[in-house]
Amino acid sequence: IQLTQSPSSLSASVGDRVTITCRASQGISSYLAWYQQKPGKAPNLLIYGATTLQSGVPSRFSGSGSGTDFTLTISSLQPEDFATYYCQQLNSYPLTFGGGTKVEIK
Amino acid sequence: EVQLVESGGGLVQPGGSLRLSCAASGFTFSDHYMDWVRQAPGTGLEWVGRTRNKAQSYTTEYAASVKGRFIISRDDSKNSLYLQMNSLKTEDTAVYYCARATNYGPGSPLADYWGLGTLVTVSS
Repeated sequence: IQLTQSPSSLSASVGDRVTITCRASQGISSYLAWYQQKPGKAPNLLIYGATTLQSGVPSRFSGSGSGTDFTLTISSLQPEDFATYYCQQLNSYPLTFGGGTKVEIK
Repeated sequence: EVQLVESGGGLVQPGGSLRLSCAASGFTFSDHYMDWVRQAPGTGLEWVGRTRNKAQSYTTEYAASVKGRFIISRDDSKNSLYLQMNSLKTEDTAVYYCARATNYGPGSPLADYWGLGTLVTVSS
């Protein structure tokens, strides 16, 4: 299953609302997770089951979607949110990641 | 505190072999599936493979790019995960992460804790 993220990069300002999309090549129900990765660091789990926030993750992050189309939204971008975001499907093997979306400071 | 520490990375020639290890602590290792994920320089994440737990007979899954060349194993008595990499290619150059996989409801378990990674460079 291929996952296509868009955009591949974006520039935004602190306080902006940011939306990242992830499209699966076939239906994956809600078996999708989102990760955040900062330079030189390991990825950090943000959302699982397409919509459920991992414990400790700020409520400005939210996920939506099912089937083939998913979104990750940051309601009010904070300085610590500048990072690369990846979706991953957990519907079937081999598990796959999207290509990533880099969120940069405008 | 969950900790995962990878080791064994380094420089290896194309066609060579390398074995990575991942030492786990802070959780009941034997209960969890475990993953390897890699990241080539300047690129995105690539899932490498998974070993299930004893209850699932330690069965494994692999990405197509490594199937037949890489072998994932584990030793629950040592709380350790391994990745045996054979017939290495230049495109296997990457940081290799081990990750704990946990059930979060329906669907496959997902990686909720990651190590810091170990760099493997395949070059002549």
